[in-house]
Amino acid sequence: QSALTQPASVSGSPGQSITISCSGTNSDIGDYNFVSWYQQNGGTIPKLIIYEVNKRPSGVSDRFSGSKSGNTASLTISGLQPEDEADYYCCSYAGSEIFVVFGGGTKLTIL
Amino acid sequence: QVHLVQSGAELKKPGSSVRVSCKVSGGTLANIAISWVRQAPGQGLEWIGGVIPMLNRTNYAPNFQDKLTISADESSTTVFMELTSLRSDDTALYYCALEIEGSPTRFDPWGQGSLITVSS
Repeated sequence: QSALTQPASVSGSPGQSITISCSGTNSDIGDYNFVSWYQQNGGTIPKLIIYEVNKRPSGVSDRFSGSKSGNTASLTISGLQPEDEADYYCCSYAGSEIFVVFGGGTKLTIL
Repeated sequence: QVHLVQSGAELKKPGSSVRVSCKVSGGTLANIAISWVRQAPGQGLEWIGGVIPMLNRTNYAPNFQDKLTISADESSTTVFMELTSLRSDDTALYYCALEIEGSPTRFDPWGQGSLITVSS
């Protein structure tokens, strides 16, 4: 069982927007602004798409955005494209005893 | 640009140990941390531990305190992960990932992964 809770799957049609939630506690997401999101296509190396809640690394499309409210972080993908079909993982810092926790991952299917 | 290059796949017997290396090329170990993340077949990502070489500080996930040792050799810019008392459920792809100091969970780039298979 993962420390952070994500929906197992979401789906959307090309051009639509979807949001993936990531639920934690006041010891991880709720206490730190160190939430990141990773995209993983078919067993390839995970790719960083959001860090520090809402920052995008250079080269990542602005269709990807992150936010946080209380103990829940969210990843929104707007203008869905076929190449967005992938697994998405959230990740949060959790203090000096647990350190880092991941969500169980969400499979995004483009209809 | 920094790249992480990991050692190759290994097949290990239950109860044995394995050592995986992660070479940081194109940079030094100063002002960075290296984390290890594993992914069992068909499963999600799991952070198992990390090292801040400049501070000689290691951090381990609670479930790995007794079976994981991470070390760093600054002269060769290589970080090592040793996992002991291997069990079949340690079979996984093990990734190293670079973390910029001061930005926890910002893992970028990642190594290519090292497949560790534990089987009798």
